[in-house]
Amino acid sequence: DAKTTQPPSMDCAEGRAANLPCNHSTISGNEYVYWYRQIHSQGPQYIIHGLKNNETNEMASLIITEDRKSSTLILPHATLRDTAVYYCIVRGYGGATNKLIFGTGTLLAVQP
Amino acid sequence: NAGVTQTPKFQVLKTGQSMTLQCAQDMNHEYMSWYRQDPGMGLRLIHYSVGAGITDQGEVPNGYNVSRSTTEDFPLRLLSAAPSQTSVYFCASRMRSEGTEAFFGQGTRLTVV
Repeated sequence: DAKTTQPPSMDCAEGRAANLPCNHSTISGNEYVYWYRQIHSQGPQYIIHGLKNNETNEMASLIITEDRKSSTLILPHATLRDTAVYYCIVRGYGGATNKLIFGTGTLLAVQP
Repeated sequence: NAGVTQTPKFQVLKTGQSMTLQCAQDMNHEYMSWYRQDPGMGLRLIHYSVGAGITDQGEVPNGYNVSRSTTEDFPLRLLSAAPSQTSVYFCASRMRSEGTEAFFGQGTRLTVV
């Protein structure tokens, strides 16, 4: 599985968009990009995932560059409850691929 | 709507004791896995299972055993607890299909003294 690089921490003002970058320059063609977050030592929570195209759901948007070597998670209107550690994970498919390999993530602090 | 249930939520063990952390899911998910999370760090994969009767090792399997006799349950056994196993343990499950999300339990906080 490809490794990912994320900034250790970011700040965002409440109500503004939070843009969390992730670099995955060694990603291969069959690997998805997943985003999870962990709020205050709770179990991680799924946010969104994508393969090639940009994706949007009720929580966030995922922008994947054309060469797929990086992506950005966008929380359109951050609230205080979005303060969490955000993990960008690359995972392939096929075989025993329950291997979500977590890095250290980005601690997003939403400021009032 | 239980999802993934872990028991117990908290546990204190003495060095050398054994115990089993329980994990159950009611979503008929084929894939289940166990992670540990040490303070200030990300989750590390201990063991995983792709279906009943099939298990495999993750990144940090030493000192832990698993079995998968049913689809619903995936217990994690600590054979002889050590202080280095003090951690928060998370169980996760997901469907077999590609591109599916994993659901996590709320964790078991284990302290070995």
